[in-house]
Amino acid sequence: NAGVTQTPKFRVLKTGQSMTLLCAQDMNHEYMYWYRQDPGMGLRLIHYSVGEGTTAKGEVPDGYNVSRLKKQNFLLGLESAAPSQTSVYFCASSFPDRALIYEQYFGPGTRLTVT
Amino acid sequence: GENVEQHPSTLSVQEGDSAVIKCTYSDSASNYFPWYKQELGKRPQLIIDIRSNVGEKKDQRIAVTLNKTAKHFSLHITETQPEDSAVYFCAASRAGKSTFGDGTTLTVKP
Repeated sequence: NAGVTQTPKFRVLKTGQSMTLLCAQDMNHEYMYWYRQDPGMGLRLIHYSVGEGTTAKGEVPDGYNVSRLKKQNFLLGLESAAPSQTSVYFCASSFPDRALIYEQYFGPGTRLTVT
Repeated sequence: GENVEQHPSTLSVQEGDSAVIKCTYSDSASNYFPWYKQELGKRPQLIIDIRSNVGEKKDQRIAVTLNKTAKHFSLHITETQPEDSAVYFCAASRAGKSTFGDGTTLTVKP
């Protein structure tokens, strides 16, 4: 199993450009998440999905859109990139155990710089 | 929403000493409290977790305690080694959603 993978690993964008980050998981997990991590801060939830075809806003959703057309993929889009979106982006997936505890599995991250 | 505070933000210890990191949370419905270790340029790695029906859990040199009444939980690392140097994050989770602390940079001096 590859677990959770992210594409690309690094990207540099100019202000106003758009891009899509791809997250894929092969564990058949229902839940998927996008986080951003800025220096000196923990992970902040951007958007998440509780199943194919569903999405929901997290703590910092502004400037991002997501889609979950297939269960194994969760896409994060930036329509018009801004320097404030320079960050490391982590995707994660999870499933509930019998006690409805959701252990999250993280991807390797995408380092995005917006100039 | 949930609010998680983590202290200290930096911690420096001598090899062999113990290290303690503390977190508080606000949502009494949170029922799962994982701890992650993140090395530079890497993804967060789960090192230990505790559920709301348990007060303490230990795994070799690492232990976690939970006080539900006070809404705080702590990570204890004993006999620290240089390879324990990393950033540690706590999180409080409920129904699949996690809120993370801002992290503690632990430095273990040889």
